[in-house]
Amino acid sequence: GAVVSQHPSWVICKSGTSVKIECRSLDFQATTMFWYRQFPKQSLMLMATSNEGSKATYEQGVEKDKFLINHASLTLSTLTVTSAHPEDSSFYICSARDLEGAYGYTFGSGTRLTVV
Amino acid sequence: AQSVTQPDIHITVSEGASLELRCNYSYGATPYLFWYVQSPGQGLQLLLKYFSGDTLVQGIKGFEAEFKRSQSSFNLRKPSVHWSDAAEYFCAVAGNTNAGKSTFGDGTTLTVKP
Repeated sequence: GAVVSQHPSWVICKSGTSVKIECRSLDFQATTMFWYRQFPKQSLMLMATSNEGSKATYEQGVEKDKFLINHASLTLSTLTVTSAHPEDSSFYICSARDLEGAYGYTFGSGTRLTVV
Repeated sequence: AQSVTQPDIHITVSEGASLELRCNYSYGATPYLFWYVQSPGQGLQLLLKYFSGDTLVQGIKGFEAEFKRSQSSFNLRKPSVHWSDAAEYFCAVAGNTNAGKSTFGDGTTLTVKP
């Protein structure tokens, strides 16, 4: 079945530094990938939609200059949290949709980001 | 706009008892519906999904869900709950409109009593 690999699974960084999170579709090509953020004991909130080869579409209230998304190939999307601050600490999850929609939506295992 | 409501924030059942988690959705076209499970500190695991066809969908771990268009519902059921089923459960809706975005409910926390 479809597998999405997300890396790293957890990361601790210092305030002011940048962190990159990778999301890879391992056995299918993903035309569209989605990035979500989840606060403790809350649901997933969509941050942005990335389409291969084009700019990401950000949800209202999400700072595009802070959360840089790149979807350079059909199997890889990256989320870079720039100049991270403690309030950016959260659980970030990606999901991917395959070319033909056959697999539907497959989620990565998430990345726990802690900014100290 | 699409939306999902999970009316029950927290449900407690005894091990071996049956389970039903409720999900109501709002979507302007034919929806894709999903149930996911999340253990603490983990990502989401897909339990089952409905795209079309048979409205009773079988999933992993003995779960099933029934799509009822007239009620805009997609309730999750399991005939006999195991202690390992304790987790957070999310219902989600997506589709070919709205750029294929998934919208999640707020989740239901399942506690299983021994």
